[in-house]
Amino acid sequence: AQKITQTQPGMFVQEKEAVTLDCTYDTSDPSYGLFWYKQPSSGEMIFLIYQGSYDQQNATEGRYSLNFQKARKSANLVISASQLGDSAMYFCAMSAYTGFQKLVFGTGTRLLVSP
Amino acid sequence: AAGVIQSPRHLIKEKRETATLKCYPIPRHDTVYWYQQGPGQDPQFLISFYEKMQSDKGSIPDRFSAQQFSDYHSELNMSSLELGDSALYFCASSFRTSGTTDTQYFGPGTRLTVL
Repeated sequence: AQKITQTQPGMFVQEKEAVTLDCTYDTSDPSYGLFWYKQPSSGEMIFLIYQGSYDQQNATEGRYSLNFQKARKSANLVISASQLGDSAMYFCAMSAYTGFQKLVFGTGTRLLVSP
Repeated sequence: AAGVIQSPRHLIKEKRETATLKCYPIPRHDTVYWYQQGPGQDPQFLISFYEKMQSDKGSIPDRFSAQQFSDYHSELNMSSLELGDSALYFCASSFRTSGTTDTQYFGPGTRLTVL
C-alpha cells in the first residue's frame, strides 16, 4: 500500500520569497513516481512536476524544484520567487511504475502568498 | 496543446436521480482515470481504463459504473444519487509507457451537487 503524508495544512509566504512544501511517503513498491499538483480555488488540478524513484537528479520545472531524498522517503516541493498566483492548494501524490498506476494523494497544503 | 475535456462542468441533481459524466482524454492517450474529491478532501481513485478495458477499481460504489468507448472517451454513470455523492469528479488521462510512471493530466472536473 502507498501512503503520502503532508504535515503542513497551511503555509504563508511573502511574494518573491522561496517556500518549501513538505511531503513524505511510504510504499512497498521498488519503483514509483512522485508528483506535485496545484489546485487553485477554481478547482482544476494542474500537474507541476514529476520525480521517478530511480532518477539521480532532482527534478526542476521553471520555478518549481523537487527536493528528493530517497533514504528519508521525502519529496518536498520548493517554489522559488513566489508569486501571488501561486496561492492554491498543493497536493503531493505517488503511483507505482508497474501494474495499475492510480495516484494516491496526500491531504494537501494550502499556500497563501502575500504581497 | 489539447487538454482533457469534461462535461458537464456543473450538474445539479435530486436524491435518487441518475447522472452521467463524460470525459474526453488528450488525443493519443490510452488510459483514463476517474477520481472523486469531496469538499476539503484529497482526490480518491474510483476506476481506470486502459485501451477500453477496465484496468483497476478503487472505492467506487456499486451504484456507479463506467466505461471507455472505441473513441477512448469515457463515461461515469451514477444512479440512486445520495447527498454524499456531492463532490468534484475528475477525469485524468495518460499515455502508458513501460518502465516508468505515466503522468496523469486532469480535466477541469465536474462539480456534482445532489439536493
